[in-house]
Amino acid sequence: EPEVTQTPSHQVTQMGQEVILRCVPISNHLYFYWYRQILGQKVEFLVSFYNNEISEKSEIFDDQFSVERPDGSNFTLKIRSTKLEDSAMYFCASSEGRGYQETQYFGPGTRLLVL
Amino acid sequence: AQSVTQPDIHITVSEGASLELRCNYSYGATPYLFWYVQSPGQGLQLLLKYFSGDTLVQGIKGFEAEFKRSQSSFNLRKPSVHWSDAAEYFCAVGVMMYSGGGADGLTFGKGTHLIIQP
Repeated sequence: EPEVTQTPSHQVTQMGQEVILRCVPISNHLYFYWYRQILGQKVEFLVSFYNNEISEKSEIFDDQFSVERPDGSNFTLKIRSTKLEDSAMYFCASSEGRGYQETQYFGPGTRLLVL
Repeated sequence: AQSVTQPDIHITVSEGASLELRCNYSYGATPYLFWYVQSPGQGLQLLLKYFSGDTLVQGIKGFEAEFKRSQSSFNLRKPSVHWSDAAEYFCAVGVMMYSGGGADGLTFGKGTHLIIQP
């Protein structure tokens, strides 16, 4: 069964450093998402992406975040200058179409620790 | 803004016993409702979803959920749990808020950690 994959599974970085989290969505999917979950808190929507541009973004997704689809398979989340509060599990998801009738398939997550 | 509450952080159930995980949402209109499960090291897997119609929804792995508008609830149930059901369970709500053809994010609850006793 096709699945969303994410790399790395864990990342440790120093505050102020840039990190790039990578995702490979399911191959025929057109919509891509990033979510995050700070330890002990809710899974929160960050951003959605379609046709090489951001579709929706939450108030969390500020200027230090960016997303990109650099090639036909990868979807990345970049955090420009990490802060301690960016420590979280980051989930990538993809869906074939748009709207909630289309299931969002999630990857296993990348656990980011900012020191 | 919409919100989702899962009042139970942890639930312990004996193998073979029935299970009910609670979920309450806050939203003015009928939302789109989901239950996801996350096993250790795995992504979030969709168990079931509700959009409209029959308020009792059947999902995978023997799970079902019932939408009760009067109680703003969407509780997940299973008549007999198996040890493999031990996982984190997330309730989520989707609200159509897009404009210009964008895609929409889900709002999740904090999750309920299910422990299965032998």
